[in-house]
Amino acid sequence: SYVLTQPPSVSVAPGKTARITCGGNNIGSKSVHWYQQKPGQAPVLVIYYDSDRPSGIPERFSGSNSGNTATLTISRVEAGDEADYYCQVWDSSSDHVFGTGTKVTVL
Amino acid sequence: QITLKESGPTLVKPTQTLTLTCTFSGFSLSTSGVGVGWIRQPPGKALEWLALIYWNDDKRYSPSLKSRLTITKDTSKNQVVLTMTNMDPVDTATYYCAHSPRVPAAKYYFDYWGQGTLVTVSS
Repeated sequence: SYVLTQPPSVSVAPGKTARITCGGNNIGSKSVHWYQQKPGQAPVLVIYYDSDRPSGIPERFSGSNSGNTATLTISRVEAGDEADYYCQVWDSSSDHVFGTGTKVTVL
Repeated sequence: QITLKESGPTLVKPTQTLTLTCTFSGFSLSTSGVGVGWIRQPPGKALEWLALIYWNDDKRYSPSLKSRLTITKDTSKNQVVLTMTNMDPVDTATYYCAHSPRVPAAKYYFDYWGQGTLVTVSS
């Protein structure tokens, strides 16, 4: 089965840049999507197709994908960005796969 | 706009079968390429994909849970039903349904999610 590995936590000061990684075997050949989940709420799509933003998602959110690592970057971090973030891909053997999740803490 | 809402029991006993219904609006499951999936999240843990049904009745299941899951749709009622057999306390989780838009092959994702429903498995 295909596995996506994320760091359990990332801490960042307001106004700085947070980078959340998502590791998977040759993930660069797949399309990666990212979700933000705040406590007690359903996930919200923030990035799809590696780097595209749905309407309403700030430009501060960006994504990249190459080799064995995909990255979600949050620029000029705000207190409201504090949440759990999950990556997701589709794999021919595992179908939909979610990452292990990363808790972003704004200091 | 697209909305989805999950409904079903909040408490089930071990070994029982869970039946959850996703009622949606703002799209049709007869539209080419569209799907509705189920994802769950145990308390404090990560998201786990369970199943997905497409507009053409193509059904996909998590390999690890395939033997316990059945997904069906009622296009006329705008509903998708998930059943999970032989429930166990480890199946305690919030269960979400979500919309899968028409996208190129292998690029599937979920763009709209329901609010989720917490199901507790306990005797």
